[in-house]
Amino acid sequence: SAVISQKPSRDICQRGTSLTIQCQVDSQVTMMFWYRQQPGQSLTLIATANQGSEATYESGFVIDKFPISRPNLTFSTLTVSNMSPEDSSIYLCSVEEGDRGEQYFGPGTRLTVT
Amino acid sequence: GQNIDQPTEMTATEGAIVQINCTYQTSGFNGLFWYQQHAGEAPTFLSYNVLDGLEEKGRFSSFLSRSKGYSYLLLKELQMKDSASYLCAVRDSNYQLIWGAGTKLIIKP
Repeated sequence: SAVISQKPSRDICQRGTSLTIQCQVDSQVTMMFWYRQQPGQSLTLIATANQGSEATYESGFVIDKFPISRPNLTFSTLTVSNMSPEDSSIYLCSVEEGDRGEQYFGPGTRLTVT
Repeated sequence: GQNIDQPTEMTATEGAIVQINCTYQTSGFNGLFWYQQHAGEAPTFLSYNVLDGLEEKGRFSSFLSRSKGYSYLLLKELQMKDSASYLCAVRDSNYQLIWGAGTKLIIKP
């Protein structure tokens, strides 16, 4: 399975600032996903990022707040813009692999907004 | 709407067997996944079912009944390291993954 790394692993940010999270995969993948996970809760899909096209956002998430880049088949970034304490969460990227289409996840970025 | 139900929390004893149930109502069905997530870590893929029946992988087995919209994850010979959350996810007709809220499994010695 793909090996996925994320940077930063954690950050504490001030309200109103922006943070860009990087996701690097050790192999070329078509589909990358960005999720948010609040403490003790399940995963919420933010958007799907395909190389060479605009990201597809889920209901409740907009490009102005969560701009995504996907410059090549091994890398993506998610920016959390104009942050508020409600954005405090774990942000995870994942890729889809194999005939079954299972997803493999990066280690996550733990964001705290003060 | 689309919905996946799992128990919030379960407790079991080391060495025993536990069954974690998942029921789903989705727009179509293209497979069901189970993931394990230890506290503070990312989810890891455990199993996949697309046809009815039991899939066995070591101490873990997963069962699917599409007609009943039902799956379970069976963990045998429980070990302390099995303490984790177990997430059920269904892929619908649009190939979207619908995630359950997860079941927190607590293993006691």
